[in-house]
This record gives sequence, C-alpha cells and structure tokens, in this order.
Amino acid sequence: SQTIHQWPATLVQPVGSPLSLECTVEGTSNPNLYWYRQAAGRGLQLLFYSVGIGQISSEVPQNLSASRPQDRQFILSSKKLLLSDSGFYLCAWSRQENTEAFFGQGTRLTVV
Amino acid sequence: AQSVTQPDIHITVSEGASLELRCNYSYGATPYLFWYVQSPGQGLQLLLKYFSGDTLVQGIKGFEAEFKRSQSSFNLRKPSVHWSDAAEYFCAVGGGTSYGKLTFGQGTILTVHP
Repeated sequence: SQTIHQWPATLVQPVGSPLSLECTVEGTSNPNLYWYRQAAGRGLQLLFYSVGIGQISSEVPQNLSASRPQDRQFILSSKKLLLSDSGFYLCAWSRQENTEAFFGQGTRLTVV
Repeated sequence: AQSVTQPDIHITVSEGASLELRCNYSYGATPYLFWYVQSPGQGLQLLLKYFSGDTLVQGIKGFEAEFKRSQSSFNLRKPSVHWSDAAEYFCAVGGGTSYGKLTFGQGTILTVHP
C-alpha cells in the first residue's frame, strides 16, 4: 500500500531563517506531488506541483520554492522566512492518471 | 477559472440528527468532485469522490453525496450524525488536464452536540 510521510510535524522558526520541509511517498512510482498551504480559517491553496523529477510548477508567487530531487521526494524551501509564511503545510500525491489526492499529516509552521 | 463555494462556514447539529453540507462549484469541463474531512491538526482524509456514472456516491463513515450538474452542486449528506463526525469538511474540484490539482472550498466546520 502507499504511504506519505511529511516532517517535521511542527516547526517554530524566526523571521529571516531558512526553511526545509520534506515529503516522501512510498509504495508507488512516478506520482504527481503537491504542496498546499492552509492559512488559519481558510481553505487550502495549491503552492507547487510536480509531475516528475526536476519538474516544478508554481501556482502562486511567493517567498517559497520547491524541489524534487528524487521520484518520490518533494521538498519545500525558503531562504528567508516571513511572518506571512506561517500556516499549515500539506504535502499530497496522486497517480498520473489524475485521480484523487492523498495527503500527509501536515506541518504546522509558526514564524516568530 | 475553477472555483468551489461552501456557503456554510460553521454548522452545529445534535448527535443523531441528519446533516447536509453544501458545495457549489464552477468548472469549465466535466468535473471530478471530492469531499475531504480534516480533524484538528491533521491531514485530509478522502470521504468520497465523483468521476462519472451514478450521481449518488457512497463514501466512508456513512456519508453520501449527490452530483447535480444543473445546479453545479455536490452536497454531502449523512442521515444520522455521530459525535466523532465533528471536524472540518472540504469540497474540492479537479479534472481534465489539471494533473490532479484540486481547487478547494473554504471548508465547513461541523460541531456535534450530545
């Protein structure tokens, strides 16, 4: 069966510090991968998606970047965090044939 | 552009009562529709999905949803709510060549009174 791992679960970082959130998927190959952000009291906003190694598409301009160094690894990064980067970050995957997305447990990021 | 509207931000029901959560979507082609549930501080769990065929779909935990193309709606229902159903519920739309990208509604928080 397929599983998705996302870490860390919680993170408190000072403004201006770097960020690296990691997500890995097991039990499938060549998945589509996604990073979503959920701000307090709001729905989910798609930040990045990837259909293959090294292929990253950004949905919204922002202070963040994403990379996919391996088939089942997806990383969300920032060089310098802003207060507005605080939120709940969710990684997800789907099969290439465009079915439902499966979500990780999320990372609660607080920038102070 | 595709969009999803969940008109109810917060709904409160008594345990054992019936439930209907509303979802309206805007999508230029045949939509794929989903309902997800999120417990506090957790990821999202898929309740049910509609791709094609029978417009009444059954999901996990006793939930069902009905796709009504004429009304651009995909409302979630449960005949008898349990206290453990208290959570936030998200409707989402995707499809076509969107590579599985989903557009989510703002969510509906469900509170269940004993």
